[in-house]
Amino acid sequence: GENVEQHPSTLSVQEGDSAVIKCTYSDSASNYFPWYKQELGKRPQLIIDIRSNVGEKKDQRIAVTLNKTAKHFSLHITETQPEDSAVYFCASTGFQKLVFGTGTRLLVSP
Amino acid sequence: EAGVVQSPRYKIIEKKQPVAFWCNPISGHNTLYWYLQNLGQGPELLIRYENEEAVDDSQLPKDRFSAERLKGVDSTLKIQPAELGDSAVYLCASSLVATGPYNEQFFGPGTRLTVL
Repeated sequence: GENVEQHPSTLSVQEGDSAVIKCTYSDSASNYFPWYKQELGKRPQLIIDIRSNVGEKKDQRIAVTLNKTAKHFSLHITETQPEDSAVYFCASTGFQKLVFGTGTRLLVSP
Repeated sequence: EAGVVQSPRYKIIEKKQPVAFWCNPISGHNTLYWYLQNLGQGPELLIRYENEEAVDDSQLPKDRFSAERLKGVDSTLKIQPAELGDSAVYLCASSLVATGPYNEQFFGPGTRLTVL
């Protein structure tokens, strides 16, 4: 089955800096890669996703890149703000089954 | 539009007791998922329903866990008997029909279970 690895497990940055979170997956048939943000005690919420026919996608301060050959994808957050502090999960799917990474706790200090 | 609704939000029980969680998906979403989220980990799929049919329950510990979605809308997840290791957050999610392009999953707030 699919295996997703996520790094780093924790990331501390200063407000205004950029943050990068990386994930690798094992199933070459995987074709959908969402990123979820989960604030403490709250539900995971989709922030951006990318499909396998696209190499990069951007939404304001958030971007995701995908390298299918290397089987890795990354989340990039620019101009970080304190409200970006949360746990971020990457996920990968083949046929309708999401497999999540172990999460990255991002702390943005003012 | 209301999101995915789950109840209860918190549940504390003693080991060996039964417990049930309820989920109401977003209206019109035919696919429903139950996930287990341990502290510091990502959600792990327990079971996926397409309408009232369980199409993927390979990760559901069937000796103590059961689930149903009788009319293809609400769903209940049950544990009987509960064990200490079942303490976790149980998340429900829903999405539009599973066929065709992948559809975003919308998560509920979860039920935090503590087994003493």
